[in-house]
Amino acid sequence: EAGVAQSPRYKIIEKRQSVAFWCNPISGHATLYWYQQILGQGPKLLIQFQNNGVVDDSQLPKDRFSAERLKGVDSTLKIQPAKLEDSAVYLCASSTRLAGGKNEQFFGPGTRLTVL
Amino acid sequence: AQSVAQPEDQVNVAEGNPLTVKCTYSVSGNPYLFWYVQYPNRGLQFLLKYITGDNLVKGSYGFEAEFNKSQTSFHLKKPSALVSDSALYFCAVREGEDSNYQLIWGAGTKLIIKP
Repeated sequence: EAGVAQSPRYKIIEKRQSVAFWCNPISGHATLYWYQQILGQGPKLLIQFQNNGVVDDSQLPKDRFSAERLKGVDSTLKIQPAKLEDSAVYLCASSTRLAGGKNEQFFGPGTRLTVL
Repeated sequence: AQSVAQPEDQVNVAEGNPLTVKCTYSVSGNPYLFWYVQYPNRGLQFLLKYITGDNLVKGSYGFEAEFNKSQTSFHLKKPSALVSDSALYFCAVREGEDSNYQLIWGAGTKLIIKP
């Protein structure tokens, strides 16, 4: 079974530039998550999708961050414009909907973003 | 409000010795508890979970964790540490069955196993 795929693995940009990250979840996984992990901290949920609908985006800085999951499969997270404090690893995870909250999440390798 | 605490930033253990990584939680209902491991430059990997039933849960790579409701703890343990166990360990908790509730994550504990 293929795992969660993310690209790019690394990205370096100047502040005020734009950047986009892509995630392909495990086939059949209805739930998709984007997390931000700052060095030395646990993951912080940015947005959660159930199929192509948003379940929770309460911690997404909507003035600069956006995400979509067209057709309920792949997802894209965008930052526009980036700030220095956006430097972090962006993790994508997916899980099955069956038994909902009991299910573990499967994580991709992450995208390490550096904003200069 | 839900919360989870990992009181130790770092744990150092000699190879072959038993290890414990501590986790305490706070939820108003029944908790679903998870442990994940993160190796350098890699994503998080699921280790084990407690949903219901036996308080001692066994997981991947020889790890186990004990759910203690009275102490609201879910400590991760392994009888004999390996150097390859060196990594960052995260405890997480969700309140209830609905996956629409967020998984709340601890800050992580760095485990260092010395040869």
